[in-house]
Amino acid sequence: DTGVSQDPRHKITKRGQNVTFRCDPISEHNRLYWYRQTLGQGPEFLTYFQNEAQLEKSRLLSDRFSAERPKGSFSTLEIQRTEQGDSAMYLCASSQNTDTQYFGPGTRLTVL
Amino acid sequence: RKEVEQDPGPFNVPEGATVAFNCTYSNSASQSFFWYRQDCRKEPKLLMSVYSSGNEDGRFTAQLNRASQYISLLIRDSKLSDSATYLCVVTNDYKLSFGAGTTVTVRA
Repeated sequence: DTGVSQDPRHKITKRGQNVTFRCDPISEHNRLYWYRQTLGQGPEFLTYFQNEAQLEKSRLLSDRFSAERPKGSFSTLEIQRTEQGDSAMYLCASSQNTDTQYFGPGTRLTVL
Repeated sequence: RKEVEQDPGPFNVPEGATVAFNCTYSNSASQSFFWYRQDCRKEPKLLMSVYSSGNEDGRFTAQLNRASQYISLLIRDSKLSDSATYLCVVTNDYKLSFGAGTTVTVRA
């Protein structure tokens, strides 16, 4: 399978714990994006990498959120001190110098 | 005001019917336009790009009106497998902005 992959697919955690998600983009894609989707809403942009450089961060991304793409390949999204409001689907997408983005299956986070 | 507004539906149509819905966007500088399809608890999947000249992909026809900042999608000869949420998407500086989606249910 050469699509975007994400791990884990599901994560249940207790409030206050830290969680980390991983995204592996399509191999030749230089751009990687993170989005968050809550029930009944469309995905909302969180952050964007071109190669290893993080070029944009949404105001939605509080200080508790950090994303990295150290070698310009896979990316991680970490949430520290999780809150119940962080419960959502976290989607990763990638593209190659175009506006057409391809999404991974998402990581569904539940914060108890 | 949300950047992309869609009629949430639901549109409940019989097999074989034609269904059409649209969205509006607020940023006149938006560069590219798409319809994505999302099945329940799955990731969004690209359905088609949208161009000012209008474009078709099989039973699907999309239209963009830049002057009115309006995007439409028409599905002809609906199939049960067309049941999904359709997300209207615009791009600004490579960042996708999504509408909340229009739910379509096709019944036998």
